[in-house]
Amino acid sequence: KQEVTQIPAALSVPEGENLVLNCSFTDSAIYNLQWFRQDPGKGLTSLLLIQSSQREQTSGRLNASLDKSSGRSTLYIAASQPGDSATYLCAVSYGNQFYFGTGTSLTVIP
Amino acid sequence: DAGVTQSPTHLIKTRGQQVTLRCSPKSGHDTVSWYQQALGQGPQFIFQYYEEEERQRGNFPDRFSGHQFPNYSSELNVNALLLGDSALYLCASSLGLPRTEAFFGQGTRLTVV
Repeated sequence: KQEVTQIPAALSVPEGENLVLNCSFTDSAIYNLQWFRQDPGKGLTSLLLIQSSQREQTSGRLNASLDKSSGRSTLYIAASQPGDSATYLCAVSYGNQFYFGTGTSLTVIP
Repeated sequence: DAGVTQSPTHLIKTRGQQVTLRCSPKSGHDTVSWYQQALGQGPQFIFQYYEEEERQRGNFPDRFSGHQFPNYSSELNVNALLLGDSALYLCASSLGLPRTEAFFGQGTRLTVV
């Protein structure tokens, strides 16, 4: 059974700090991995997609890395802002469906 | 581009009733997947539709059924609603094969009372 774990479950940081969110998965035979942002009660916003053949992807202040052999991905957020406060979800694809972690709830304090 | 749109945004139903949720995929996308997200949990895969056929199904009972129309829009039907069906229902669209990026709608919040 594929399992996706995200650590920490919650994180609170002062504005301007750099931070790392972690995602681990049990089966390394992934197709791709996608990071999403979710605001309370809302849908998911795609942040970054990493294909299984890639090591990292960058978009603005966000950088996601993938290490398939160890079953890990990290999402690095540089110079955090209050607007970054949300839940961040890691989703791993093994074919036609995603397996999600339970997310990391991030609060950036002004 | 309107992105993935879902309707309605909120819905309250009584236990035992039936409900239909609707999803229009992002322009150009042909694959629609449905997920259920309980409070405080990650989304759980219900099923996926491609070329008007159910391509894959998650671990959900037959009370959950769906349909995809020729214009790629989709419906999720849930019969004999239970209190435990209360959740945020998310629709995701993508183009073709599984390696492509998925885009999600804003969800339908279903409350069963």
